[in-house]
Amino acid sequence: AQSVTQLDSQVPVFEEAPVELRCNYSSSVSVYLFWYVQYPNQGLQLLLKYLSGSTLVESINGFEAEFNKSQTSFHLRKPSVHISDTAEYFCAVSEGTGANNLFFGTGTRLTVIP
Amino acid sequence: NAGVTQTPKFQVLKTGQSMTLQCAQDMNHEYMSWYRQDPGMGLRLIHYSVGAGITDQGEVPNGYNVSRSTTEDFPLRLLSAAPSQTSVYFCASSPSGALGWDTQYFGPGTRLTVL
Repeated sequence: AQSVTQLDSQVPVFEEAPVELRCNYSSSVSVYLFWYVQYPNQGLQLLLKYLSGSTLVESINGFEAEFNKSQTSFHLRKPSVHISDTAEYFCAVSEGTGANNLFFGTGTRLTVIP
Repeated sequence: NAGVTQTPKFQVLKTGQSMTLQCAQDMNHEYMSWYRQDPGMGLRLIHYSVGAGITDQGEVPNGYNVSRSTTEDFPLRLLSAAPSQTSVYFCASSPSGALGWDTQYFGPGTRLTVL
């Protein structure tokens, strides 16, 4: 069975500093991997996804995540954060192509400090 | 386009009461779903639908009913509310439910408290 672990429930970081949000998963088969972002009082939005091919995927707002099969990880990174990046970030994994097979981690609250 | 809309935003119920959480989308998406979000846990799938007239259970369906009479609407019904159903509920939709090429769009959520 698949599961997702986000070990850091809260990550405070100063503005313009780098950040890494960790995500590990367990699965015995090939997976699709996702990062979603939830801004205060809003629904989740897809940030980026890995389906196949290049193990490094990027979002339009400067985040990137690297799929590491040997370590079963999909950590999210940004070299320089902004105040507007303050949000909750969810890692999700799916063993199949259907959205009903999507399992979410517990989330990491990123707080950017001015 | 309004996207995915949910009503109400907030609701307080007493144990045993019933209510319906409304979800609507104006993007002509076939796939719709309901999740609940609890502190310290990820989103968990309650029910989903791949098209009008078709629904199926997710990970945590007990205590909830759904129906899909139109493409646009996917209401979630609590028949007899329990304190364990206190949660934030999110509705989501996507064109076909295929993760490989679809993007799921989430509504803003309904915060439900059951006393």
